[in-house]
Formats: sequence, structure tokens, C-alpha cells
Amino acid sequence: DQQVKQNSPSLSVQEGRISILNCDYTNSMFDYFLWYKKYPAEGPTFLISISSIKDKNEDGRFTVFLNKSAKHLSLHIVPSQPGDSAVYFCAAKAGTASKLTFGTGTRLQVTL
Amino acid sequence: NAGVTQTPKFQVLKTGQSMTLQCAQDMNHEYMSWYRQDPGMGLRLIHYSVGAGITDQGEVPNGYNVSRSTTEDFPLRLLSAAPSQTSVYFCASSPASHRANTEAFFGQGTRLTVV
Repeated sequence: DQQVKQNSPSLSVQEGRISILNCDYTNSMFDYFLWYKKYPAEGPTFLISISSIKDKNEDGRFTVFLNKSAKHLSLHIVPSQPGDSAVYFCAAKAGTASKLTFGTGTRLQVTL
Repeated sequence: NAGVTQTPKFQVLKTGQSMTLQCAQDMNHEYMSWYRQDPGMGLRLIHYSVGAGITDQGEVPNGYNVSRSTTEDFPLRLLSAAPSQTSVYFCASSPASHRANTEAFFGQGTRLTVV
């Protein structure tokens, strides 16, 4: 039972355009959401997060939107750069538990 | 600034062999965990620990053991390796679970092949 889903395995975007990565969840107890970025042969690195009390969090070129009623979040990257090419994982946690539940990842390719 | 250190980076095992994947963190984090990454499956939690002396099972614990004798170290033991355990393994740590809204820090990973 996949509690966090990323339905697009891959996404290709031109440099300078917007990249939108989507994530859906089923567990209503999740109240904190994170995005991780992973390059080949490296560990995931934290990118941005959002608490369920907010609907938007912005950090430079990265913005995460949360729609609690739809149990959906999205990561927007504007403008996209070639260095953004990586696998992006959505993750969620519930309450004070530190356990993270990850999605299956979306491979983003930013082309010149 | 080491963060989370995993050893080895690569390992090839024969079916039935045992081995230990090492994980150490220098951030004094209470929470540590092990994940495996497989194509199309994302990161799946194997075992986790909320502090020294306390461990619990995650989503896919079968075939693996863990212990947490110190805050810094959280080794993962494969008891009798099977080809299904061919994967990339990641160790992660984060501050205490009662501090909500914190991110986890990951090691570089161990690529394990079981033949």
C-alpha cells in the first residue's frame, strides 16, 4: 500500500522553463512533507519542506504547494537549470514520529 | 564536517554470506534509520532507532538485523544474503523525534550486489 505516490516516473523540461513535480498521499495523519533531491551515486539531500498548517513554502527557485483537501503537493522549480537534473523524492511524516515515508521518485531532466 | 558516513561504498556478496553495513553520524542525532532503494520502488524503510538501545522494524525488515549500542553508530547486518537483497542502501539520521519538522540527513549509500 503506497501511502506516498509520485505518478510521473520522469519529466523533461527545457532550461529556463518551469518544472512541476507532483506527489499524492493517502494517509491523513501526515502533517509534514519534504522534497529530497538525489544525484546518481550520492545520497538524497534535503531540498524544501512544508508543514500542514501552510499551503505554500518558497525558497529561492523552489516552491512547494500543499493542497490538504486533495492530499496533493507539488514542487515548482522556476527557472529550471541543467544542474536541477536529478531524481526528486517526495516524503511525508506524521506527528512527532521521525519516520519518513517516501514516494517512488521522479527523474527530472532539464535540457538546453 | 562528516555528517553521515557509510562503509563500504560497494560490496559484492555470494548468496548465503553475511555482512555488516556500517553507518556512523557525528551530529548527535537520536534518530537513525536504514533504507533500501530499488528501481521503481523509491526508498523503503528497513529498520530504525529512536535512540541508543532502541530499535524497531520498518516496512521491509526481513533478512536484516540492527542494533544501536551508541548514539553515533547504527550497523545493518545481513544474516544470509539473497539476490533479492541486491540494492542500494542508505543510512539516515535526524534530531530527536519529539522535535517535529526536521529533515533527515543521508549517507552516500552502499551499493550491494548479491550473486
